[in-house]
Amino acid sequence: IAGITQAPTSQILAAGRRMTLRCTQDMRHNAMYWYRQDLGLGLRLIHYSNTAGTTGKGEVPDGYSVSRANTDDFPLTLASAVPSQTSVYFCASSDTWDRGEQYFGPGTRLTVT
Amino acid sequence: EDQVTQSPEALRLQEGESSSLNCSYTVSGLRGLFWYRQDPGKGPEFLFTLYSAGEEKEKERLKATLTKKESFLHITAPKPEDSATYLCAVQAGGADGLTFGKGTHLIIQP
Repeated sequence: IAGITQAPTSQILAAGRRMTLRCTQDMRHNAMYWYRQDLGLGLRLIHYSNTAGTTGKGEVPDGYSVSRANTDDFPLTLASAVPSQTSVYFCASSDTWDRGEQYFGPGTRLTVT
Repeated sequence: EDQVTQSPEALRLQEGESSSLNCSYTVSGLRGLFWYRQDPGKGPEFLFTLYSAGEEKEKERLKATLTKKESFLHITAPKPEDSATYLCAVQAGGADGLTFGKGTHLIIQP
Protein backbone atom coordinates (compact mmCIF):
# COMPACT_ATOMS: atom_id res chain seq x y z
CA ILE A 1 0.00 0.00 0.00
CA ALA A 2 1.59 3.25 -1.12
CA GLY A 3 -0.68 5.69 0.74
CA ILE A 4 -0.33 8.97 -1.13
CA THR A 5 1.81 9.44 -4.20
CA GLN A 6 2.71 12.79 -5.73
CA ALA A 7 4.28 13.62 -9.07
CA PRO A 8 6.60 15.07 -10.07
CA THR A 9 9.08 14.91 -7.19
CA SER A 10 10.54 18.22 -8.28
CA GLN A 11 10.14 20.64 -11.15
CA ILE A 12 11.70 23.83 -12.44
CA LEU A 13 9.12 25.88 -14.31
CA ALA A 14 9.34 29.10 -16.29
CA ALA A 15 7.08 31.90 -15.16
CA GLY A 16 3.85 32.06 -17.14
CA ARG A 17 3.76 28.32 -17.84
CA ARG A 18 0.89 26.06 -16.82
CA MET A 19 1.63 23.16 -14.47
CA THR A 20 -0.40 20.37 -12.90
CA LEU A 21 0.79 18.63 -9.76
CA ARG A 22 -0.62 15.15 -9.40
CA CYS A 23 -1.82 13.45 -6.24
CA THR A 24 -3.24 9.94 -5.88
CA GLN A 25 -4.27 8.08 -2.74
CA ASP A 26 -5.13 4.40 -2.32
CA MET A 27 -6.71 4.56 1.14
CA ARG A 28 -10.24 5.34 -0.15
CA HIS A 29 -10.25 8.49 1.95
CA ASN A 30 -13.10 10.88 1.31
CA ALA A 31 -11.27 14.15 2.02
CA MET A 32 -8.15 15.46 0.30
CA TYR A 33 -6.08 18.61 0.72
CA TRP A 34 -3.30 20.65 -0.85
CA TYR A 35 -0.83 22.57 1.31
CA ARG A 36 2.23 24.61 0.51
CA GLN A 37 5.20 24.80 2.87
CA ASP A 38 7.47 27.83 2.88
CA LEU A 39 10.40 28.58 5.15
CA GLY A 40 9.26 30.73 8.04
CA LEU A 41 5.58 30.40 7.17
CA GLY A 42 4.83 26.78 7.84
CA LEU A 43 2.19 24.72 6.09
CA ARG A 44 -0.76 26.62 4.61
CA LEU A 45 -3.94 25.18 3.10
CA ILE A 46 -4.49 25.96 -0.59
CA HIS A 47 -7.62 23.96 -1.52
CA TYR A 48 -9.53 21.02 -0.15
CA SER A 49 -12.15 18.49 -1.17
CA ASN A 50 -14.46 16.89 1.38
CA THR A 51 -15.72 14.30 -1.09
CA ALA A 52 -15.48 13.48 -4.78
CA GLY A 53 -17.19 16.15 -6.87
CA THR A 54 -16.76 18.98 -4.34
CA THR A 55 -13.92 21.40 -3.69
CA GLY A 56 -13.29 24.44 -1.51
CA LYS A 57 -10.80 27.25 -1.00
CA GLY A 58 -8.28 27.31 1.81
CA GLU A 59 -6.12 30.09 3.18
CA VAL A 60 -4.05 30.78 0.02
CA PRO A 61 -6.08 29.74 -3.07
CA ASP A 62 -5.18 32.54 -5.51
CA GLY A 63 -3.43 31.31 -8.65
CA TYR A 64 -4.39 27.68 -8.04
CA SER A 65 -7.27 25.46 -9.08
CA VAL A 66 -8.26 21.89 -8.22
CA SER A 67 -10.68 19.23 -9.37
CA ARG A 68 -11.94 16.01 -7.78
CA ALA A 69 -13.41 13.78 -10.46
CA ASN A 70 -13.05 10.61 -8.36
CA THR A 71 -12.10 9.51 -4.86
CA ASP A 72 -8.45 8.75 -5.54
CA ASP A 73 -7.12 11.73 -7.52
CA PHE A 74 -6.81 15.39 -6.59
CA PRO A 75 -4.70 17.38 -9.07
CA LEU A 76 -3.54 20.94 -8.38
CA THR A 77 -3.12 23.27 -11.36
CA LEU A 78 -1.16 26.49 -11.61
CA ALA A 79 -2.67 28.24 -14.63
CA SER A 80 0.16 30.75 -15.11
CA ALA A 81 3.02 30.22 -12.68
CA VAL A 82 4.67 33.13 -10.87
CA PRO A 83 7.92 33.14 -8.82
CA SER A 84 5.96 33.52 -5.55
CA GLN A 85 4.56 30.04 -6.16
CA THR A 86 8.02 28.58 -5.61
CA SER A 87 7.42 26.24 -2.69
CA VAL A 88 7.11 22.63 -1.57
CA TYR A 89 3.60 21.31 -2.18
CA PHE A 90 2.07 18.55 -0.08
CA CYS A 91 -1.06 16.60 -0.79
CA ALA A 92 -2.87 15.02 2.16
CA SER A 93 -5.97 12.94 2.80
CA SER A 94 -8.22 12.00 5.69
CA ASP A 95 -11.00 9.46 6.12
CA THR A 96 -13.59 12.24 6.49
CA TRP A 97 -13.35 16.04 6.65
CA ASP A 98 -14.24 16.12 10.34
CA ARG A 99 -11.73 13.42 11.28
CA GLY A 100 -8.67 15.57 11.17
CA GLU A 101 -5.94 12.91 11.10
CA GLN A 102 -4.47 13.80 7.75
CA TYR A 103 -1.87 11.66 6.02
CA PHE A 104 0.63 13.42 3.80
CA GLY A 105 2.39 12.57 0.57
CA PRO A 106 6.13 13.01 -0.01
CA GLY A 107 5.76 16.45 -1.60
CA THR A 108 6.62 18.20 -4.86
CA ARG A 109 9.38 20.80 -4.84
CA LEU A 110 8.49 23.48 -7.39
CA THR A 111 10.76 26.29 -8.50
CA VAL A 112 9.32 29.03 -10.71
CA THR A 113 11.98 31.09 -12.50
CA GLU B 1 -8.55 33.79 13.25
CA ASP B 2 -7.09 30.46 14.37
CA GLN B 3 -3.47 30.66 15.51
CA VAL B 4 -0.86 28.13 16.55
CA THR B 5 2.45 29.12 18.12
CA GLN B 6 5.21 26.61 18.77
CA SER B 7 8.20 27.07 21.05
CA PRO B 8 11.08 26.87 21.06
CA GLU B 9 11.83 27.27 17.34
CA ALA B 10 14.86 25.03 17.76
CA LEU B 11 16.12 22.77 20.53
CA ARG B 12 19.37 20.88 20.85
CA LEU B 13 19.56 18.10 23.46
CA GLN B 14 22.05 15.46 24.45
CA GLU B 15 20.99 11.86 24.00
CA GLY B 16 18.97 10.84 27.07
CA GLU B 17 18.16 14.44 28.07
CA SER B 18 14.38 14.71 28.42
CA SER B 19 12.50 17.88 27.50
CA SER B 20 9.17 19.27 26.30
CA LEU B 21 7.97 21.13 23.23
CA ASN B 22 5.14 23.64 23.56
CA CYS B 23 2.20 24.38 21.27
CA SER B 24 -0.07 27.29 22.22
CA TYR B 25 -3.28 27.73 20.29
CA THR B 26 -6.18 30.11 19.80
CA VAL B 27 -9.09 28.55 17.97
CA SER B 28 -12.84 28.97 17.77
CA GLY B 29 -14.09 25.61 18.98
CA LEU B 30 -11.33 23.04 19.01
CA ARG B 31 -12.21 19.91 17.08
CA GLY B 32 -8.78 18.34 17.48
CA LEU B 33 -5.09 19.05 18.04
CA PHE B 34 -2.53 17.07 16.06
CA TRP B 35 1.18 16.42 16.33
CA TYR B 36 3.28 15.50 13.33
CA ARG B 37 6.93 14.66 12.79
CA GLN B 38 8.69 15.86 9.65
CA ASP B 39 12.08 14.65 8.48
CA PRO B 40 14.09 16.73 5.97
CA GLY B 41 12.76 16.39 2.43
CA LYS B 42 9.73 14.35 3.48
CA GLY B 43 6.07 14.87 4.20
CA PRO B 44 4.72 15.23 7.74
CA GLU B 45 4.15 11.93 9.55
CA PHE B 46 1.12 11.72 11.83
CA LEU B 47 1.88 11.10 15.52
CA PHE B 48 -1.09 11.96 17.78
CA THR B 49 -4.58 13.39 17.94
CA LEU B 50 -5.89 15.01 21.13
CA TYR B 51 -9.53 16.01 21.39
CA SER B 52 -10.17 17.40 24.85
CA ALA B 53 -8.36 19.03 27.78
CA GLY B 54 -6.76 16.47 30.07
CA GLU B 55 -6.25 13.91 27.32
CA GLU B 56 -2.84 12.24 26.96
CA LYS B 57 -1.38 9.99 24.26
CA GLU B 58 1.90 8.06 24.29
CA LYS B 59 4.07 6.42 21.67
CA GLU B 60 7.49 5.07 22.53
CA ARG B 61 9.50 8.01 23.95
CA LEU B 62 6.84 10.61 23.10
CA LYS B 63 3.90 11.74 25.18
CA ALA B 64 1.41 14.43 24.14
CA THR B 65 -0.81 16.31 26.57
CA LEU B 66 -3.54 18.89 26.10
CA THR B 67 -4.97 21.78 28.13
CA LYS B 68 -7.51 24.40 27.07
CA LYS B 69 -4.78 26.70 25.79
CA GLU B 70 -1.76 24.58 24.94
CA SER B 71 -0.32 21.18 24.24
CA PHE B 72 3.01 19.71 25.20
CA LEU B 73 5.03 17.04 23.48
CA HIS B 74 7.23 15.43 26.10
CA ILE B 75 10.29 13.54 24.91
CA THR B 76 11.76 11.11 27.41
CA ALA B 77 15.36 9.89 27.08
CA PRO B 78 15.56 10.86 23.41
CA LYS B 79 17.78 9.14 20.88
CA PRO B 80 19.49 10.66 17.81
CA GLU B 81 16.78 9.14 15.59
CA ASP B 82 14.24 11.40 17.31
CA SER B 83 15.87 14.37 15.57
CA ALA B 84 13.26 15.99 13.32
CA THR B 85 10.93 18.96 13.06
CA TYR B 86 7.80 18.49 15.17
CA LEU B 87 4.67 20.22 13.93
CA CYS B 88 1.53 21.05 15.87
CA ALA B 89 -1.79 21.68 14.11
CA VAL B 90 -5.39 22.41 15.12
CA GLN B 91 -8.71 21.85 13.48
CA ALA B 92 -11.44 24.30 14.45
CA GLY B 93 -15.08 23.35 14.60
CA GLY B 94 -16.41 23.37 11.06
CA ALA B 95 -13.00 23.93 9.49
CA ASP B 96 -12.05 21.91 6.47
CA GLY B 97 -8.31 21.82 6.96
CA LEU B 98 -5.64 22.17 9.60
CA THR B 99 -3.90 25.30 10.88
CA PHE B 100 -0.24 24.52 11.50
CA GLY B 101 2.40 26.07 13.71
CA LYS B 102 5.84 26.74 12.29
CA GLY B 103 7.38 23.78 14.07
CA THR B 104 10.17 23.01 16.52
CA HIS B 105 13.42 21.77 15.00
CA LEU B 106 14.78 19.18 17.42
CA ILE B 107 18.36 17.91 17.33
CA ILE B 108 19.48 15.07 19.57
CA GLN B 109 23.24 14.80 19.85
CA PRO B 110 24.86 11.42 20.60
